[in-house]
Amino acid sequence: DVKVTQSSRYLVKRTGEKVFLECVQDMDHENMFWYRQDPGLGLRLIYFSYDVKMKEKGDIPEGYSVSREKKERFSLILESASTNQTSMYLCASSGTSGGDNEQFFGPGTRLTVL
Amino acid sequence: RKEVEQDPGPFNVPEGATVAFNCTYSNSASQSFFWYRQDCRKEPKLLMSVYSSGNEDGRFTAQLNRASQYISLLIRDSKLSDSATYLCVVTPDNYGQNFVFGPGTRLSVLP
Repeated sequence: DVKVTQSSRYLVKRTGEKVFLECVQDMDHENMFWYRQDPGLGLRLIYFSYDVKMKEKGDIPEGYSVSREKKERFSLILESASTNQTSMYLCASSGTSGGDNEQFFGPGTRLTVL
Repeated sequence: RKEVEQDPGPFNVPEGATVAFNCTYSNSASQSFFWYRQDCRKEPKLLMSVYSSGNEDGRFTAQLNRASQYISLLIRDSKLSDSATYLCVVTPDNYGQNFVFGPGTRLSVLP
């Protein structure tokens, strides 16, 4: 059974704190993604990575950074959390070799910044 | 114009009804198409891929019209468990990158 796991389901942080969200996939996928999802705004891409140490900005990268040191792990970092970063964060992965290349999502991390 | 647009919904239908969702996309070079289902406060999960010839999976039928840049999802004999948000997803390539999500259409199946 394919799996994408995220380090926390719920997280509460204070304004200005540094926040790490971790994602691990066991499908040997090349591509990994971080999205945030807010009511009325749908899924918005923050960053994605197509290989180890490679990253590309998505639609809303401001205030975020990412790290991909190993193929199976993709981290999202909020350098200084702000209240407008309160959201549901979803990690996903996809392959590139054959098949439909659909995305598989983790269960999400609901982050609240106070 | 948004890249992927869907019926705004919500759709409230009785059990047993047939319901159809529509999705249009703006990038004519799009290569792969999917329908995802997202339950409340859960992650999106793949419902089905959409092929040029159309495809069916039990009560679910997906159609693609490349000329009109239009995708549809038909659900027959709706069940209470079909209540969810349905997301239309389009990608311009076959490399597993650049997924564009529609805003989703919420379905409530009522007893």
